[in-house]
Amino acid sequence: DVQLLESGGELVQPGGSLRLSCAASGFTFSDYAMSWVRQAPGKGLEWVSSISGSGGSSYYADSVKGRFTISRDNSKNTLSLQMNSLRAEDTALYYCAKVLGGTDHGDFDYWGQGTLVTVSS
Amino acid sequence: SSDLTQPPSVSVSPGQTASITCSGDKLGDKYVSWYQQKSGQSPVLVIYQDTRRPSGIPERFSGSMAGNTATLTISGTQAMDEADYYCQAWDITTIFGGGTKLTVL
Repeated sequence: DVQLLESGGELVQPGGSLRLSCAASGFTFSDYAMSWVRQAPGKGLEWVSSISGSGGSSYYADSVKGRFTISRDNSKNTLSLQMNSLRAEDTALYYCAKVLGGTDHGDFDYWGQGTLVTVSS
Repeated sequence: SSDLTQPPSVSVSPGQTASITCSGDKLGDKYVSWYQQKSGQSPVLVIYQDTRRPSGIPERFSGSMAGNTATLTISGTQAMDEADYYCQAWDITTIFGGGTKLTVL
């Protein structure tokens, strides 16, 4: 069975940094693009970033471009999101999601349970 | 990508058909998928590539596309279908609709 397990979320002060991780299992990790999607409390889904299966291409929402960096370690089946210059509006539940099919973007057929990031002083 | 517009809420009686729309500029040129999110749970893919249903998703869920509007239809709606539903479209980036709260009265 496909499993995605996020970790790293916590309370951080505005301007601070945080690194999220997602441990994947149950599929050939390097064959699929992966993404981060976030959901602010009581709000809808917002795509944050995606990375190709090889890790050679990455994509970002305008709201996080220049502050967040997505990466992956295919030898450890791990997806990461380095978050710098955090703002209150980055407060959300961050989901790791697997992209269906072989493209860099697409539908998300598996989701983790999410890790909560709270940006507050 | 442009915004995707969904109605904030839809109500349906048990056993009836619920339709949730998603519209956006040039949406017809992109693939649309739909996600169900029940309270306190992660989203679940129920429709992808406009009309395709993942394995394990009941046949009462179907998707269609006409022009720049995609529609998720739930036939014979059950109480267990009460949830938030989100459309998604992608090309070089990904965008979600604002979500629709489906209430089964």
